[in-house]
Amino acid sequence: QSVLTQPPSVSAAPGQRVTISCSGNNFNIGKNYVSWYRHVPGTAPTLLIYGNDDRVSGIPDRFSGSKSGTSATLDITGLQSGDEGDYYCATWDNGLNVGVFGGGTKVTVV
Amino acid sequence: QVDLVQSGGGVVQPGTSLRLSCVTSGFAFSNYTMHWVRQAPGKGLEWVALISDDGRNMLAASPLKGRLRISRNNSKNTLYLYLNSLTVDDTAVYYCARPRGERSLKFYLDSWGQGTHVTVSS
Repeated sequence: QSVLTQPPSVSAAPGQRVTISCSGNNFNIGKNYVSWYRHVPGTAPTLLIYGNDDRVSGIPDRFSGSKSGTSATLDITGLQSGDEGDYYCATWDNGLNVGVFGGGTKVTVV
Repeated sequence: QVDLVQSGGGVVQPGTSLRLSCVTSGFAFSNYTMHWVRQAPGKGLEWVALISDDGRNMLAASPLKGRLRISRNNSKNTLYLYLNSLTVDDTAVYYCARPRGERSLKFYLDSWGQGTHVTVSS
């Protein structure tokens, strides 16, 4: 199992909103900034959000991140078919002294 | 333009070793910590290791410690991953990745190699 816990999948209709949660503990999310990645199989992952809530240049403002305590959230509004893929949260774990990723959440536009 | 081009990998037998390379361009390689990340079939992303900008410090995921060596040649802008005593559990796509910001200790990976497939099979 992953150190960070994400729901395996979320889905919504085009134009709707999805929220992806990422739960950790006081050694990882509680102490460090969170980043979010989108990964389409067969391609390299793409950094979307860093520093909990800063969007990478070129990423639409439909994508937003937040953090509270030992949990983080990625919101995607105005869902589009091109948003489909696997989304991962990530941070550093001070206790294990390693980088950690969530298990990934598959976003499906239905 | 930042570019990370990976090579190495392929089909290897259990118990053997491999070397993966990541040739970079378009940025001051010697100013960046570099990372390796992998994804096993059907699994999520897994952080593998990092090496500091000067190559003096390294960290690795616990399951791989003792079998892994990460190195870099700053004069060749190249990152390496050596993995020995390979098992079927090492079968994965391996990515090299650069964090956002020079001399940054933050774990934000904003540039990635194309990935290289490693299949451990007899």
